[in-house]
Amino acid sequence: QLQLQESGPGLMKPSETLSLTCSVSGDSISSSTYYWGWIRQSPGKGLEWIATIYYNGKTYYNPSLESRLTISGDKSKNQISLELTSVTAADTAMYYCARHLGYCDGAGCYIWFDPWGQGTLVTVSS
Amino acid sequence: EIVLTQSPGTLSLSPGDRATLSCRASQSVKINFLAWYQQKPGQAPRALIYGSYSRATGVPDRFSGSGSGTEFTLTINRLEPEDFAVYYCQQYGGSVTFGGGTKVEI
Repeated sequence: QLQLQESGPGLMKPSETLSLTCSVSGDSISSSTYYWGWIRQSPGKGLEWIATIYYNGKTYYNPSLESRLTISGDKSKNQISLELTSVTAADTAMYYCARHLGYCDGAGCYIWFDPWGQGTLVTVSS
Repeated sequence: EIVLTQSPGTLSLSPGDRATLSCRASQSVKINFLAWYQQKPGQAPRALIYGSYSRATGVPDRFSGSGSGTEFTLTINRLEPEDFAVYYCQQYGGSVTFGGGTKVEI
């Protein structure tokens, strides 16, 4: 059974870089069948897709966050990671890792999410 | 960006009732790429419907999706106690956006 487990710092200060890791068990991020990535949920902005990575290393980002984002995969550990630079209070959210079904191409991403990890809460506060 | 507006904000029903949730898109959703999710307190969202009407693995058949273009509906027949939750729609026709949710409460 596929399981995704997120880990993160919990509490951060403004301007720091957020680093998140998603450990995947029950499936391989090296498979060409699925994409993998991140979604966040905050009281102010609701659910927001952040970033997606494919087994071949191709990455796709939410345009509104792209300049601050890096998503990567470690096939040896079967993990997905996310970095978000220069965080502010607006980045306070629950961050979820999820398997992405569908596909992405040059025109965009046609993806929905199943299943999701339990999430990791990130709070940005001075 | 396609904006999804869900209505009503809250739906007050009883077990055994039928729930009808609406998701309206600001422009036509490509290939009816519309998904629905259920979220219970303290839990991650769970996929229910994709492609407007296809049920995700393990989803009971009392959940059904319909619609096309800019108007989509999630119907829950014969509400069970475990169905009281918040429901979100998501479009994925080239970009990805979510609606603001509908809470189904007792």
